[in-house]
Amino acid sequence: QVQLQESGPGLVKPSQTLSLTCTVSGDSISSDVFYWSWIRQHPGKGLEWIGYIFHSGRTYYNPSLKSRVTISVDTSMNQFSLDLNSVTAADTAVYYCARYCTSTSCPKGGFDYWGQGTLVTVSS
Amino acid sequence: DVVMTQSPLSLPVTPGEPASISCRSSQSLLQSDGYNYLDWYLQKPGQSPQLLIYLGSNRASGVPDRFSGSGSGTDFTLRISRVEPDDVGVYYCMQALLTPETFGGGTKVEIK
Repeated sequence: QVQLQESGPGLVKPSQTLSLTCTVSGDSISSDVFYWSWIRQHPGKGLEWIGYIFHSGRTYYNPSLKSRVTISVDTSMNQFSLDLNSVTAADTAVYYCARYCTSTSCPKGGFDYWGQGTLVTVSS
Repeated sequence: DVVMTQSPLSLPVTPGEPASISCRSSQSLLQSDGYNYLDWYLQKPGQSPQLLIYLGSNRASGVPDRFSGSGSGTDFTLRISRVEPDDVGVYYCMQALLTPETFGGGTKVEIK
């Protein structure tokens, strides 16, 4: 059973860096079939794709956040991480990590497994 | 970015009755491989989104067959043949053709 679990601080001060880690169990992050993703949801709002990473380190970012986002992968720990710098109150959201399928051997084009989400509040 | 527009915003439903949600994209989601890169997700209250439909019309593993997806190009529909109380939540469509992946604004389904 594939599981993803977000971890990191629930409170970040304005102008600082939001850092989260997603630990994957039940699957290898080194699979050639999946991209590992971050998605966020502002309180009471819809979903916003932040970006994803392949096990090789290749990344794709949402242009709206690209200047502030870094997604990295640690294959030895089966984890991937999100850094979002220069945060403001507008970055307060629930942050999800998710697995994105790129092959017909899985739900191609879909985020088929999600973490439970972690609320990050930006406040002094 | 590809803009995804869902309707209606809110959908009161009667258990046992059918329901449908529409999703329109600002550009065609039909790829040269023949697939429409359109997903449907359900976010139940207090939970993470879950994948219902991928590539426009394929049910994800474990999704009941009362859920079906149809459409091509820019117009898509999610249908629930007989709504059950467990189907309440917010439904989102999402395009996976181009980055950034973009979601519709959501349709809140609630029981009458």
